[in-house]
Amino acid sequence: EVQLVESGGGLVQPGRSLRLSCAASGFTFDDYAMHWVRQAPGKGLEWVSGISWNSGSIGYADSVKGRFTISRDNAKNSLYLQMSSLRAEDTALYYCAKDIKNGLYYYCMDVWGKGTTVAVSS
Amino acid sequence: QSALTQPPSVSGSPGQSVTISCTGTSSDVGSYNRVSWYQQPPGTAPKLMIYEVSNRPSGVPDRFSGSKSGNTASLTISGLQAEDEADYYCSSYTSSSTHVVFGGGTKLTVL
Repeated sequence: EVQLVESGGGLVQPGRSLRLSCAASGFTFDDYAMHWVRQAPGKGLEWVSGISWNSGSIGYADSVKGRFTISRDNAKNSLYLQMSSLRAEDTALYYCAKDIKNGLYYYCMDVWGKGTTVAVSS
Repeated sequence: QSALTQPPSVSGSPGQSVTISCTGTSSDVGSYNRVSWYQQPPGTAPKLMIYEVSNRPSGVPDRFSGSKSGNTASLTISGLQAEDEADYYCSSYTSSSTHVVFGGGTKLTVL
């Protein structure tokens, strides 16, 4: 079964850092680009960041550029999101999602995790 | 990058059809056949329902169909069922540096 399991969320003060992880199973992880998508409470979906299968291509939403860093470890079937200088507006449920196309950075997500909650508050 | 525009809500009775629109620009929906639709029932993760405008992933009922005309994409759900009640989001590839943009979401109520 294809599965994505996020972890690392929690309550953090503004300005501090947090690292999210996503453990993948049930598919050949290093064949696919991966994404982080977030959803603020009661709001819609917002693409946060994506990374190609070989980490050669990386992108960020303007709202997190310069503060968040995406990475992956294909040997560990894991995706990460290092978040720094956190703000109240970063409060959201963060989803890890798999790209649909093998070998391409296609920006369509066919498998989603259940998400991990990040709350930024003093 | 502005979000794609969706109606906040739509509704229909069981057995009826509903259509949800998703309006973008010539930088996204109008220029690329890479529109996707996601279903999100309350308290659950999004699920891909349509990709590349009109393709259904395995397991998605053929009651769900997608189309596009100009800068507007549409999701049509025919033979509405109670289990279809959910939020629906469109997304599109975009020529902007972020490469993907989501719509604001549409709440479907099955009366």
